[in-house]
Amino acid sequence: GESVGLHLPTLSVQEGDNSIINCAYSNSASDYFIWYKQESGKGPQFIIDIRSNMDKRQGQRVTVLLNKTVKHLSLQIAATQPGDSAVYFCAENSPGGNTGKLIFGQGTTLQVKP
Amino acid sequence: DGGITQSPKYLFRKEGQNVTLSCEQNLNHDAMYWYRQDPGQGLRLIYYSQIVNDFQKGDIAEGYSVSREKKESFPLTVTSAQKNPTAFYLCASSPRQGPGDQPQHFGDGTRLSIL
Repeated sequence: GESVGLHLPTLSVQEGDNSIINCAYSNSASDYFIWYKQESGKGPQFIIDIRSNMDKRQGQRVTVLLNKTVKHLSLQIAATQPGDSAVYFCAENSPGGNTGKLIFGQGTTLQVKP
Repeated sequence: DGGITQSPKYLFRKEGQNVTLSCEQNLNHDAMYWYRQDPGQGLRLIYYSQIVNDFQKGDIAEGYSVSREKKESFPLTVTSAQKNPTAFYLCASSPRQGPGDQPQHFGDGTRLSIL
């Protein structure tokens, strides 16, 4: 069935280092992917998205890479800061029907050590 | 500022009681969604609505009900039939889906607990 999952539940990095958070998806028909950041007690916050006709997209300090061959998505955060500490979710659209439904992974907790 | 407002932030339910969670958005979005989040888990879709006066069940609709009488409002009722309602409930909205998808924008959630 459809599923989106992350490879590691927790990632610990040193402040200033780059972080890479990985995500695997199972539905090859999915064509839209999003990364969200969720801080404790708050709702998910949109970070960056990418469509399947691209393999890389850059934002401010963040880059999303999409490898459709192996159905893998990653989020790279440059010069990680303490404020980046949060849970990060990847999500894919539910293909077919144009419903706008998203399928979420279980999340990776990013811990930034000072 | 435009955004999504969920209320209350914390809610307690007694046995056999129905409770209603509020979600209001001023983003002029057509589509709205309700998710449930359990500790250490991802988000699971309860109900969604793409247009006023229409809504569809998500993956875990049993024990929940919704209405969509106004574009800006999508309240969720947790009924007594939901035997394990303790969770963090998140409301989201997005523009009407067109040729390309758009991200969903989230409120800050309601935490529901059993008394």
